Amino acid sequence: GAVVSQHPSWVICKSGTSVKIECRSLDFQATTMFWYRQFPKQSLMLMATSNEGSKATYEQGVEKDKFLINHASLTLSTLTVTSAHPEDSSFYICSARDGSLHTGELFFGEGSRLTVL
Amino acid sequence: GNSVTQMEGPVTLSEEAFLTINCTYTATGYPSLFWYVQYPGEGLQLLLKATKADDKGSNKGFEATYRKETTSFHLEKGSVQVSDSAVYFCALSDRYGGATNKLIFGTGTLLAVQP
Repeated sequence: GAVVSQHPSWVICKSGTSVKIECRSLDFQATTMFWYRQFPKQSLMLMATSNEGSKATYEQGVEKDKFLINHASLTLSTLTVTSAHPEDSSFYICSARDGSLHTGELFFGEGSRLTVL
Repeated sequence: GNSVTQMEGPVTLSEEAFLTINCTYTATGYPSLFWYVQYPGEGLQLLLKATKADDKGSNKGFEATYRKETTSFHLEKGSVQVSDSAVYFCALSDRYGGATNKLIFGTGTLLAVQP
């Protein structure tokens, strides 16, 4: 199946710094990627839809200036958590569809665990 | 708006027990329905899917039937194994096959199978 890779898989940073997480589709082109945040007790919250070559579409309640998303190419989307604070500590997961498959399923990255001290 | 409701866990079973994880949905139109599984320390993987009413998705001994009349997509397995211990997510996509369509997830159900 299609492969989506995230990097880094875990990161620890100091409060006030910015952290960038990369999401790559390794064997297909993804015009659209999705960023999720996974909270304790497992629930997944869709943060934004990342569109190649255009601005991301953010879900209600997600701060676009806090969570910067860039989708510069058909295989790469990045999420930057700006001026991170301890409450931003979470598991961030990206996903993408392989449009050529027409199955509707999403392929997920391994996730990136962010810990803000 | 579209939403998915699944039973809260954790669900603890003995090996070879029968498993049911309930999932119901609210959606306009004709969504596609999915079950994803997240094993410890790993990302989400598609377990099975169904794209229209009365379809049955199946994989690795798991089954779920798309029931439009009850708006449900319950996950079942006749005999669970310790290796099935994971978090299971029910999800829907508001249109089949569209690359930009969102996947809406339930809250996830933790399954713990004891030997």
